[in-house]
Amino acid sequence: EVVLTQSPGTLSLSPGDRATLSCRASQSLVNYLAWYQKKPGQPPRLLISGASSRATGIPDRFSGSGSGTDFNLTISRLEPDDFAVYYCQQYGSSSFTFGPGTTVDV
Amino acid sequence: QVQLQESGPGLVKPSQTLSLTCTVSGDPITSGGNYWGWIRHLPEKGLEWLGYIYFNGKTYYNPSLKSRVTLSVDISENQFSLKVTSVTVADTAVYYCARGPLQLWKIWGPGKPVVVSS
Repeated sequence: EVVLTQSPGTLSLSPGDRATLSCRASQSLVNYLAWYQKKPGQPPRLLISGASSRATGIPDRFSGSGSGTDFNLTISRLEPDDFAVYYCQQYGSSSFTFGPGTTVDV
Repeated sequence: QVQLQESGPGLVKPSQTLSLTCTVSGDPITSGGNYWGWIRHLPEKGLEWLGYIYFNGKTYYNPSLKSRVTLSVDISENQFSLKVTSVTVADTAVYYCARGPLQLWKIWGPGKPVVVSS
């Protein structure tokens, strides 16, 4: 099973700051890595697939990068609506896994 | 516009079976290329997938839960369902149904909170 590790566990920032979240995989994913945003009381929202492709309707302040085992999600300028938990997810085989999440808070 | 809606009991007793149904509207469940999945959000622990199913009944289960989870699909009702047997308090979570190509979950239901308690 592929294990995903996310760092940091919590990122304390302010609106307007740049956020960089990391996801590391226990084996190569090529680029089969997605990012989701999760807010309380709402379902997860797909942000990025294929490591760097934004999903439909996702603002361009969200960007993904990386390949193999190391990936990043960058939020260029945090807006108040961006404070949430972010999960990475590996896919591409019949089984998939989520990382433990990074909380971005004020 | 495709919408998903979870339904079922919000309270289940320990050792019993948790049963949820996801009703799909706006698109037939047979639409090609889509998988239909169940994912839960455990308190303080994050997201965990339970399984997913194709319209022809082909199923994929999380190996850690495989012995307790069963998925099924009802094409005539445009629904798919989840059963989790022998539940414990550790199964308390918000359960989501979702649709995706591959295992990319693009469309989600609003979620069904389920509490396991006597």
